[in-house]
Amino acid sequence: ETGVTQTPRHLVMGMTNKKSLKCEQHLGHNAMYWYKQSAKKPLELMFVYSLEERVENNSVPSRFSPECPNSSHLFLHLHTLQPEDSALYLCASSRTGEGGYTFGSGTRLTVV
Amino acid sequence: AQSVTQPDIHITVSEGASLELRCNYSYGATPYLFWYVQSPGQGLQLLLKYFSGDTLVQGIKGFEAEFKRSQSSFNLRKPSVHWSDAAEYFCAVGAGINKLVFGAGTILRVKS
Repeated sequence: ETGVTQTPRHLVMGMTNKKSLKCEQHLGHNAMYWYKQSAKKPLELMFVYSLEERVENNSVPSRFSPECPNSSHLFLHLHTLQPEDSALYLCASSRTGEGGYTFGSGTRLTVV
Repeated sequence: AQSVTQPDIHITVSEGASLELRCNYSYGATPYLFWYVQSPGQGLQLLLKYFSGDTLVQGIKGFEAEFKRSQSSFNLRKPSVHWSDAAEYFCAVGAGINKLVFGAGTILRVKS
């Protein structure tokens, strides 16, 4: 257990479904991230939440919607996904100025 | 723009042999540098990090890395590899507040 907990660990969803991924950290960190990891591709930063500010990768489709209600919780809402969205979704957190991220174990998403 | 290059996609070493994984970065200022390891189906775990000071950095699991500014490199080493070291290794550079840029990863295979 790294201190960053992601649920669920595995998710299979149809293209018309709506689901959410959850991430939780109690490390006192003040920034949280969503990354997408696809086979044979570099890690892709999707969203950053830092001190209630949201920064996003402009190439992320609108069918991915993040929510950060407080500094300990981060969600990724999914709707009308495509098969190419199947990937490992990783959440991470950090404390500004200390460098380095703590990652969760990821959610393996399969879109059918 | 900041970038990280890991020239080797796959490396195979014999158990007990020494290991060196290469990492080159591009960053205008003094970089913050990191190595992470990822076992199959898991998130990324921080092995070691360099912020400043001694250019030889010790990490967990017997790993070390050396920062060489003249070569823009931060290579990861281990004197004797164990079968449990088989995993994927990622080099990353801190590219500003709350921003890490990752390399594409090197898959390490250990043969007995």
